[in-house]
Amino acid sequence: GQQVMQIPQYQHVQEGEDFTTYCNSSTTLSNIQWYKQRPGGHPVFLIQLVKSGEVKKQKRLTFQFGEAKKNSSLHITATQTTDVGTYFCAEENTGFQKLVFGTGTRLLVSP
Amino acid sequence: DAGVIQSPRHEVTEMGQEVTLRCKPISGHDYLFWYRQTMMRGLELLIYFNNNVPIDDSGMPEDRFSAKMPNASFSTLKIQPSEPRDSAVYFCASSPLLSRDYGYTFGSGTRLTVV
Repeated sequence: GQQVMQIPQYQHVQEGEDFTTYCNSSTTLSNIQWYKQRPGGHPVFLIQLVKSGEVKKQKRLTFQFGEAKKNSSLHITATQTTDVGTYFCAEENTGFQKLVFGTGTRLLVSP
Repeated sequence: DAGVIQSPRHEVTEMGQEVTLRCKPISGHDYLFWYRQTMMRGLELLIYFNNNVPIDDSGMPEDRFSAKMPNASFSTLKIQPSEPRDSAVYFCASSPLLSRDYGYTFGSGTRLTVV
């Protein structure tokens, strides 16, 4: 099925290091959402970006929507072990009330 | 609200058997989605409903899969007959008309193993 590409697939960092995951789409998006899934858990909504060039922050997490609305990024500053999990972007194309999830980036943080 | 409730949490069945997964969405949510998650294919949208009406079932793998939503508080996903390749975690999610502020709310999932 259709998928949004995310890079990297996997990243292992030391606690305190920064982390960034990127999401790329071939089409212009009406909005993009980000989710976190802990190991063994279910996806949990983090945030939605709607405007071109939009930047939103949640504590140590910074989310950005590209100017052309075709890409997005999630940056975590000074990772903690509680950040462990898989981060998904999910795109919603204009006119459709359905989300297509990206391939996900699995983050492992060592203490 | 108790959130999206799925049952069972785990299901182990033999190939060829019928499997029924159940979902109770959040009250007042207009949309209900069924996703399947595997290591190989990630999170795939199978089907979604708006106000109990199926809108898009293009993700349903084949005729062995069927989904219903007889009312606003209940949906089922049925696999008949089941096959080992159907083994996956099946998530149900719901959202209000405009998901922008709260996104989709997922249930805890049903881990299906077909042996």
